[in-house]
Amino acid sequence: DGGITQSPKYLFRKEGQNVTLSCEQNLNHDAMYWYRQDPGQGLRLIYYSQIVNDFQKGDIAEGYSVSREKKESFPLTVTSAQKNPTAFYLCASRIAGQGGEPQHFGDGTRLSIL
Amino acid sequence: LAKTTQPISMDSYEGQEVNITCSHNNIATNDYITWYQQFPSQGPRFIIQGYKTKVTNEVASLFIPADRKSSTLSLPRVSLSDTAVYYCLVGGYAGNMLTFGGGTRLMVKP
Repeated sequence: DGGITQSPKYLFRKEGQNVTLSCEQNLNHDAMYWYRQDPGQGLRLIYYSQIVNDFQKGDIAEGYSVSREKKESFPLTVTSAQKNPTAFYLCASRIAGQGGEPQHFGDGTRLSIL
Repeated sequence: LAKTTQPISMDSYEGQEVNITCSHNNIATNDYITWYQQFPSQGPRFIIQGYKTKVTNEVASLFIPADRKSSTLSLPRVSLSDTAVYYCLVGGYAGNMLTFGGGTRLMVKP
């Protein structure tokens, strides 16, 4: 089955530690996205990538970093500079350049501070 | 980028029709209107999408007036399982940066 896989489902971070959230898709989509969702809130865009080796900052990129070395993978690193990382993180992908193509989402990773 | 405004919450009863309206005054010519449904601790799921006029699928209808500055998601005969958050998303080709609004929390009561 085609889809988006996020791992791990739950992740704990210690103070001063960097952690990396995995996002893999086998939909052959060019564009990938990372969103952050706080309890009871909507989705806020962190980073997005339209093509391999290229990515752009979203609305709340500070304290986060990404890479896009392969079409299938778009890992997100939550750095120690992100002082309030506790949230639900969602990865999505879609066909790039097609105006009407909807995003497909993974099941999310919930990050908490120890 | 088109900003969207939706009601924060709505209540309904089983079997009723629910209409959720989204305002997007600065929608661009290339932008599509897409609605998603999200249950707790899950990723959003695509419901319906349109560009203009009316679109209908097996779960919902989407009404878009001629000026495209708003859209209305219509859910016929809701059930308890339709209790979720519904997001209106406006975007398209330009930049591929898709920003969600705050969503509408729908509570369906028995």
